[in-house]
Amino acid sequence: GESVGLHLPTLSVQEGDNSIINCAYSNSASDYFIWYKQESGKGPQFIIDIRSNMDKRQGQRVTVLLNKTVKHLSLQIAATQPGDSAVYFCAENGNGGSQGNLIFGKGTKLSVKP
Amino acid sequence: NAGVTQTPKFRILKIGQSMTLQCTQDMNHNYMYWYRQDPGMGLKLIYYSVGAGITDKGEVPNGYNVSRSTTEDFPLRLELAAPSQTSVYFCASSYSTGSTYEQYFGPGTRLTVT
Repeated sequence: GESVGLHLPTLSVQEGDNSIINCAYSNSASDYFIWYKQESGKGPQFIIDIRSNMDKRQGQRVTVLLNKTVKHLSLQIAATQPGDSAVYFCAENGNGGSQGNLIFGKGTKLSVKP
Repeated sequence: NAGVTQTPKFRILKIGQSMTLQCTQDMNHNYMYWYRQDPGMGLKLIYYSVGAGITDKGEVPNGYNVSRSTTEDFPLRLELAAPSQTSVYFCASSYSTGSTYEQYFGPGTRLTVT
């Protein structure tokens, strides 16, 4: 069935290092992927998205990589800062339907050590 | 724009009680969603709506009802609250067309059923 999962539930990095958060998806029909950041006690916030016709997209300090061959998505955060500490979710649009529905993974908790 | 607003922020219910979680968005989005998030887990879709007067079930609709009489409002009704409905509830909205499925989230309602 459709599922979005993550390889690691927790990730601890030193401030200033780069972080890589991984995500696996299983639905070949998904053509849109998105990363959200959720700080404690808040709703998810958009970080970056990517369509399946791309394999890389960059934002400010963040890069998303998409490998459709192995159905893998990753989020790279450069020069990780304490403010990056949060839970990160990837999501896919599943069957590519028009309803805009997203299927979310369980999330990875990123902790940044000063 | 206030974005997506939710009320109340917190609520404690006794088993068997009912309540309505309110959600309002001022971005003129056609699509709206209700999710629940259990501790340490991702988001599960309860109900969604692609426009006023149209609603549909998500992954976990049992025990909930929704209505969409206006574009702005998408209330979620809990009838006969059960401990299994203890969770954080997020409302979200999105554009109905275009190149993005980005959903904008509210701050959440933390519900405890005892």
